[in-house]
Formats: sequence, structure tokens, C-alpha cells
Amino acid sequence: QVQLVQSGAEVKKPGASVKVSCKASGYTFTSYDINWVRQATGQGLEWMGWMNPNSGNTGYAQKFQGRVTMTRNTSISTAYMELSSLRSEDTAVYYCAREFGIVATIYYYYYMDVWGKGTTVTVSS
Amino acid sequence: EIVLTQSPGTLSLSPGERATLSCRASQSVSSSYLAWYQQKPGQAPRLLIYGASSRATGIPDRFSGSGSGTDFTLTISRLEPEDFAVYYCQQYGSSPRWTFGQGTKVEIK
Repeated sequence: QVQLVQSGAEVKKPGASVKVSCKASGYTFTSYDINWVRQATGQGLEWMGWMNPNSGNTGYAQKFQGRVTMTRNTSISTAYMELSSLRSEDTAVYYCAREFGIVATIYYYYYMDVWGKGTTVTVSS
Repeated sequence: EIVLTQSPGTLSLSPGERATLSCRASQSVSSSYLAWYQQKPGQAPRLLIYGASSRATGIPDRFSGSGSGTDFTLTISRLEPEDFAVYYCQQYGSSPRWTFGQGTKVEIK
């Protein structure tokens, strides 16, 4: 079945970097963009950016520009999100999600149809 | 940048009751770009509705979406125990590409 499997929990010190992986299976990895969304404890969903696994093109939310890098390894169908200069406010669950786009009649539809289970990143001294 | 504002923040209802959740956009949004998600504690979000009114695969018909322009609604016709969760609306745009509302929690009264 279609799924995204994320790497395990991480504990990092302030100023460090973290790299989270997201392995796709059950579909052609290069056919769908991957998005990263994070959620601090008790808070809402925050979109971080997208990556096209085919081209490697990326787009980041302004808040994370300069601190986030999204990459991929197509040979193992895996996407990565690296966040640098970590601070306590980056403590959150990080999700990868597949972006699905479809054309029906004259309309384009976009949504995130498959999500990973999340990776907890804790930033603490 | 389009801002999505969900209301109410919390909805306290009993099983069997009808839930009506609102998502208001700061500018007009294409209906085909508006989605709703359900999130339960400790779980990833799950797609419920896309294109403002189309149910995702496997979603029960007690969930329905409607609206256009700046006002969108998610309705749960008769709440089941498993429906108590947090619901988010989301829109696809150009910059930023994705925006989420802040969420509405549906809790047991």
C-alpha cells in the first residue's frame, strides 16, 4: 500500500541541525511532490516547504528560508528535511506528506493524501 | 498571503448531534483548492474532504463540505464517538503554497 515511513525521534542541542527522512513505498516516488509540515505540542499545523522528487526543485515557507533544506535520493525513494540552527521553538513533530494533484473536467484539485506518522524532534540543552 | 480563520475554536457536542465547522479565508479561494483534515491525538492528519466538497476515499457520508469564495463549511451530520478530534482546513495557493487554518476541536460535551 501507499505509505510514507519516517525516521525515528531525535534529540538535539540548540544550534545543532537535524535531518529527518521520509521513505516512500507503494507508488512512483518521482511522480508526486513531498511536503513537510510541523506541529508543536498542542499547536496547529505549520507548512514548511515542498520538494519535487523528480527535479529536486524546492520551495520553502518564508519563515524557514535559510534554515531548511529539502533533498531526496531517488534510488531509495527517500525524501529528507534538514533544519539547522535549531532552537527550543523548533521542538515539534515533523510530518512528510504526499501532494496529490489531479485534473477533473476543467478543475485542478490539490491536497495532501498520504502522511507519514511523524518524527518528534526535541531541542533541549 | 491568504489567512484561513476557523471557528469556533472548540465545539462541545454530544454523540448523535450535528457539527458545523467554519473556515473563512481572507481572500477568495478557489473551491478546488480547499481541503479539510481530521487529526486525532498522537496521529497524523487524515484527509477528509478535497475540492471543498468531495469526500476522500473511505470517508463516511456523514462528513460533508460546502462553500465557495471566502466561506467554507465542514458538516458532520451525526457525531460518532470516533469523530471527536481536531479539524483543519487547508488551501493551496501560490505563495505560500499551502496554508492551514488554526483548527477546530470537536469535544464531547
